[in-house]
Amino acid sequence: DTGVSQDPRHKITKRGQNVTFRCDPISEHNRLYWYRQTLGQGPEFLTYFQNEAQLEKSRLLSDRFSAERPKGSFSTLEIQRTEQGDSAMYLCASSLERSGTWVFGPGTRLTVL
Amino acid sequence: AQTVTQSQPEMSVQEAETVTLSCTYDTSESDYYLFWYKQPPSRQMILVIRQEAYKQQNATENRFSVNFQKAAKSFSLKISDSQLGDAAMYFCAYRSAFGPGANNLFFGTGTRLTVIP
Repeated sequence: DTGVSQDPRHKITKRGQNVTFRCDPISEHNRLYWYRQTLGQGPEFLTYFQNEAQLEKSRLLSDRFSAERPKGSFSTLEIQRTEQGDSAMYLCASSLERSGTWVFGPGTRLTVL
Repeated sequence: AQTVTQSQPEMSVQEAETVTLSCTYDTSESDYYLFWYKQPPSRQMILVIRQEAYKQQNATENRFSVNFQKAAKSFSLKISDSQLGDAAMYFCAYRSAFGPGANNLFFGTGTRLTVIP
C-alpha cells in the first residue's frame, strides 16, 4: 500500500456541470476525511467517515455536495451544478482511529470555468 | 471554534542555516494536539512533527524541532541545517483531543519557505 490516492488529479469543468472525485485511503485505515483548500489558505474540513458512516459534515458542505463511502473503503465526493467558487484543491486524508497519524492524498485540483 | 494563526506568509533561509516558523492558536481546551505539515509544490501534504499538549517536552524529529509554549499558545517550528528539499508551504494545525473537534484538523494559512542555495 503506497498511501492515499486520489483521482483525477486535475479536473476542468464548465459551470453547472457535475463532477465526482475518488479517494482511495490506506487499506487498514477506518477513518477518511475530505478537505478543501483554496489558493492562499489552509485546508478546511468538509466531512469525515468512520468506516462507511458519515459522522460529521461541515457547514461548507452545501446541498450541492455529497460524499459517500459505500463499503468503508474508497470514498467519492460529488459536486452538482458546479459554481466558480467551487474551484479549489480537494484533499482526502485517512487515519487508523482518531489518534492515529493522518495521511493525506495528493489532492484533486478542480477548476470551474 | 479553534483558530490557528501563522503570521509569516513567506520566509526564506540560506541553505545550511536555521529558520523558525511561527504559529499561535486560540483555544479554551487543555488537551489537544498540534502539528506541522509540509506541502511541497504540487505534492501531497506530509506530517513533519506532532506535539501532545500534555507533554512538556518539545517534540524533535531529526532536523525539525518545536518550541511549544502552552501558556502563550505558541507553537513554533525550527528547521536546522536547512536543505533545498525543505522548500515548501508549511502549515500549522490544531486538533482537539476529545469531542467533535477531535475529528477535525484546524489549519493556519501557511508559511511559504524558500531555501536559497
